[in-house]
Amino acid sequence: DQQVKQNSPSLSVQEGRISILNCDYTNSMFDYFLWYKKYPAEGPTFLISISSIKDKNEDGRFTVFLNKSAKHLSLHIVPSQPGDSAVYFCAASAFGNQFYFGTGTSLTVIP
Amino acid sequence: NAGVMQNPRHLVRRRGQEARLRCSPMKGHSHVYWYRQLPEEGLKFMVYLQKENIIDESGMPKERFSAEFPKEGPSILRIQQVVRGDSAAYFCASSPFRSKDLAANYGYTFGSGTRLTVV
Repeated sequence: DQQVKQNSPSLSVQEGRISILNCDYTNSMFDYFLWYKKYPAEGPTFLISISSIKDKNEDGRFTVFLNKSAKHLSLHIVPSQPGDSAVYFCAASAFGNQFYFGTGTSLTVIP
Repeated sequence: NAGVMQNPRHLVRRRGQEARLRCSPMKGHSHVYWYRQLPEEGLKFMVYLQKENIIDESGMPKERFSAEFPKEGPSILRIQQVVRGDSAAYFCASSPFRSKDLAANYGYTFGSGTRLTVV
């Protein structure tokens, strides 16, 4: 039962433009949401998080938006850079110790 | 300031053998998490440990899998009598925070993973 879904396996964006990565979830009890970036043959690297009491969190070029009514999360990267090309995972947590990960979206930023 | 160290990076085992995966958390991190990524899937939680204690093993298969985090040395994920379905990337993450809220705000630090192939 996939509680966190990333329905777009891949996304291509021109350098300098905005990248928007989407994530949907089913569990209304999730209270924290995280985005991770992963390069091939490496572990995921933490990017940004948001708690359920907020609807936006910004860190440099990265902004995460949370729409609780729609159970939808998005990561905006602007401007996109070639070094942003990686697989992006969203993850969510309810009470307890584990995070539920989506299946990832492979972002390619075209120079 | 080494990150989370996992070894080996690649491990090949024949069906029925044992696999031992090691994870040394970041310095100062006393909370360790193991996740597994099957092909074409996201990471799935397996177990959460603190030094000498298993806190949450709700994601561990009931048989053949065990984990420990001794007072000295790395955390070990042990898979006995491996089968082809165990082939996956196994990631370890660590955190200095006991509080899930703090850990969630600052994220977990993942290692580069161990890719287990069962032949």
